[in-house]
Amino acid sequence: GAVVSQHPSWVICKSGTSVKIECRSLDFQATTMFWYRQFPKQSLMLMATSNEGSKATYEQGVEKDKFLINHASLTLSTLTVTSAHPEDSSFYICSARDPLGWGAKGEAFFGQGTRLTVV
Amino acid sequence: GQQLNQSPQSMFIQEGEDVSMNCTSSSIFNTWLWYKQDPGEGPVLLIALYKAGELTSNGRLTAQFGITRKDSFLNISASIPSDVGIYFCAGLTSGTYKYIFGTGTRLKVLA
Repeated sequence: GAVVSQHPSWVICKSGTSVKIECRSLDFQATTMFWYRQFPKQSLMLMATSNEGSKATYEQGVEKDKFLINHASLTLSTLTVTSAHPEDSSFYICSARDPLGWGAKGEAFFGQGTRLTVV
Repeated sequence: GQQLNQSPQSMFIQEGEDVSMNCTSSSIFNTWLWYKQDPGEGPVLLIALYKAGELTSNGRLTAQFGITRKDSFLNISASIPSDVGIYFCAGLTSGTYKYIFGTGTRLKVLA
């Protein structure tokens, strides 16, 4: 149990276009999902907390108009990088917790990540 | 953003050796977790610790929740080549369920 799937695994896009990344909890309902960004050889930096049915909470310094998050159902959250630029190239990872089962004590489970390259 | 300090930053060890790494914070956490990340993949949960002083094992891995609640340790016994990867600690404060990640320990095992 506790499987989180991200799609796509990698994407290359042209500068100025928008890219959508999906995060799905496959065997549990995730009331809360988290989006992280990871630069090479660095740690994970939390971008935002996505709550089902309500607006995402963004960390300081993260542009909410740049990184649109939608958590429309208990099993799906999406991150859209709008008007992407080369500096947005990074590894984006989502995580999810199920407060009623896996994650009842706070554990979150991660997707496999999405490598975004903006050219 | 805030990060936890992990040490060592990287280590090269011989297969069969034991490994120790730690994570320290200036803040108190209610839960400590240890994850392993392989290149190009998301982190995988190894061990979760829920109360100060707790010592928990998962196979060859043993982790402890520091008494002060500001640190945690991870030990790997009899390392094998597949232990290669980056190990991250993560602290969790109650209420927000927001993780603060450590800076990572990069482990390389020499056969």
